[in-house]
Amino acid sequence: KNQVEQSPQSLIILEGKNCTLQCNYTVSPFSNLRWYKQDTGRGPVSLTIMTFSENTKSNGRYTATLDADTKQSSLHITASQLSDSASYICVVSPDSNYQLIWGAGTKLIIKP
Amino acid sequence: NAGVMQNPRHLVRRRGQEARLRCSPMKGHSHVYWYRQLPEEGLKFMVYLQKENIIDESGMPKERFSAEFPKEGPSILRIQQVVRGDSAAYFCASSHPPRSGGLYEQYFGPGTRLTVT
Repeated sequence: KNQVEQSPQSLIILEGKNCTLQCNYTVSPFSNLRWYKQDTGRGPVSLTIMTFSENTKSNGRYTATLDADTKQSSLHITASQLSDSASYICVVSPDSNYQLIWGAGTKLIIKP
Repeated sequence: NAGVMQNPRHLVRRRGQEARLRCSPMKGHSHVYWYRQLPEEGLKFMVYLQKENIIDESGMPKERFSAEFPKEGPSILRIQQVVRGDSAAYFCASSHPPRSGGLYEQYFGPGTRLTVT
């Protein structure tokens, strides 16, 4: 069964600190992996997209890694800001042209 | 340069009533996707449409739910005879035509929060 699991479920850190969110998937075949940020009450916004051949991709203070052999990905946030408080969702695309398998997300809270 | 628009943002319905959710895709996009999100859960795919055509409705309940994307106007997700379990956030996304194996973006609207009392 295609599944995406994320950990931790929630995380609280102080402003300015770094953090890393984890994603494990059992989706097969595999086309690409995405990380989305979802603010409370808003739709998801794409942060990064990685294909099988990419093992790291950055978007500002966000850096995603992908290990396609172990089927794991991480999202590292550097020098966190209050505006980073959101849910971060790992999404995996099987080898089709539109289907996305969504994780439940990690709820990140940044405290001043 | 408007993004994906959804309305209403919040909708309250009594059990047994009908709910109509609207989605206007981003300009230039001809493909629309509907997702449902229950509290503390991930998004679940419901249906994928292009204008006047349902491509994949495998994620949509067989009864009470229907979707359309007419030649003119927004896409509509319709839920008949709503029940409490239909309470959720419903998100619409749009894209250019996706290509097999290709990387393409789905752009999301702000969602409609449906509450069934």
